[in-house]
Amino acid sequence: DTGVSQDPRHKITKRGQNVTFRCDPISEHNRLYWYRQTLGQGPEFLTYFQNEAQLEKSRLLSDRFSAERPKGSFSTLEIQRTEQGDSAMYLCAGGGQKNNEQFFGPGTRLTVL
Amino acid sequence: DAKTTQPPSMDCAEGRAANLPCNHSTISGNEYVYWYRQIHSQGPQYIIHGLKNNETNEMASLIITEDRKSSTLILPHATLRDTAVYYCIVSGGTSYGKLTFGQGTILTVHP
Repeated sequence: DTGVSQDPRHKITKRGQNVTFRCDPISEHNRLYWYRQTLGQGPEFLTYFQNEAQLEKSRLLSDRFSAERPKGSFSTLEIQRTEQGDSAMYLCAGGGQKNNEQFFGPGTRLTVL
Repeated sequence: DAKTTQPPSMDCAEGRAANLPCNHSTISGNEYVYWYRQIHSQGPQYIIHGLKNNETNEMASLIITEDRKSSTLILPHATLRDTAVYYCIVSGGTSYGKLTFGQGTILTVHP
């Protein structure tokens, strides 16, 4: 158990609906990452926060995606107007200042019908 | 970040050492080699990392060649619970620590 939790663990939604996922890293994690993983592929980087500042966003993060980390603790990832291609596992990872070791949560599996 | 190349799959007998190779010929001087694994339906798990010296922890050993163009992850006594996808990742520099995962190696440990 890495101490990183994600909620919900599973989400089924209809195309066009908005969804929001939450990630709670441990308090020592000033770095927070979001990744997306589709079946048979490795995780793909989406975005990175240093405390509350969003410092990097992947080109994969279209304008339908938005992420926040308002107080430098938990983070949310929102997808607006979901499409079937958004179906994937969304992973959150926390990290401290020590090198690049990242601690992943269990993920949220999104299915868009 | 430098690209890595790994074999798509490997087998290992339980109790034997598993040696997982990785090529990273374009690695630059300030980039580290990281190994993560992902057991089915779970998030990736950090295993070990190194810059240029060999490293060992309670999970595994990492052997990096002198020219740093390749490395080997060694699980000294593989168990059935080590069956997973193993990812070799090169990261560092100005990438803010983001990890670029490839396809990884599916390691299957047999009884």
